[in-house]
Amino acid sequence: EVQLVQSGAEVKKPGESLKISCKGSGYSFTSYWIAWVRQMPEKGLEWMGTIYPGDSDTRYSPSFQGQVTISVDKSISTAYLQWSSLKASDTATYFCARQLWTTSGWNPFDYWGQGALVTVSS
Amino acid sequence: DIQMTQSPSSLSASVGDRVTITCRASQGVGDDLGWYQQKPGKAPKRLIYATSRLQSGVPSRFSGSGSGTEFTLTISSVQPEDFATYYCLQYISYPWTFGQGTKVEIK
Repeated sequence: EVQLVQSGAEVKKPGESLKISCKGSGYSFTSYWIAWVRQMPEKGLEWMGTIYPGDSDTRYSPSFQGQVTISVDKSISTAYLQWSSLKASDTATYFCARQLWTTSGWNPFDYWGQGALVTVSS
Repeated sequence: DIQMTQSPSSLSASVGDRVTITCRASQGVGDDLGWYQQKPGKAPKRLIYATSRLQSGVPSRFSGSGSGTEFTLTISSVQPEDFATYYCLQYISYPWTFGQGTKVEIK
């Protein structure tokens, strides 16, 4: 069974650092890109960026470039999203989702993690 | 970036109604368009990809159509479990972008 299991909810103060995780199982982890998607409270979905575990190739949305870092440890089938200095505006639920590149094009976001709520408040 | 505009932003429907949601792209996306359903507190669920391909396990009352810049998600006979928010997604070029969402509520 394919699963993407995310780390739990976090409560942090502005200026603190944070790294959340997304562990894949039930499929070939290095064959699928892992993307991160933000959902601010009562708002829509925003694609933040994606990483290919096979070679750590990473793409960012211009809106998030320089604001977060996406990384991966393929030895434990886990992708990460991290912040070096959180802001109150980073308060949101963050989802990971997998995407597959095929000869026919992209196969996007067929499986998602359960989401991780990050609350940043003084 | 490609902007995705959904309409309407919300709608009310009765069980059994036919529901249509439209997604317009600011430039052509070929058939690289998907539809997702999200219920409160849950992760999105893929319904449709490549404009019209039904995700395995999704009821056949859901269908997708369109090409280029205009796309449609249709629910032929809306059921109680279909009341949720729906998002389109273009994935022809980075950054991938979602529509703002359409909330389908019970009339």
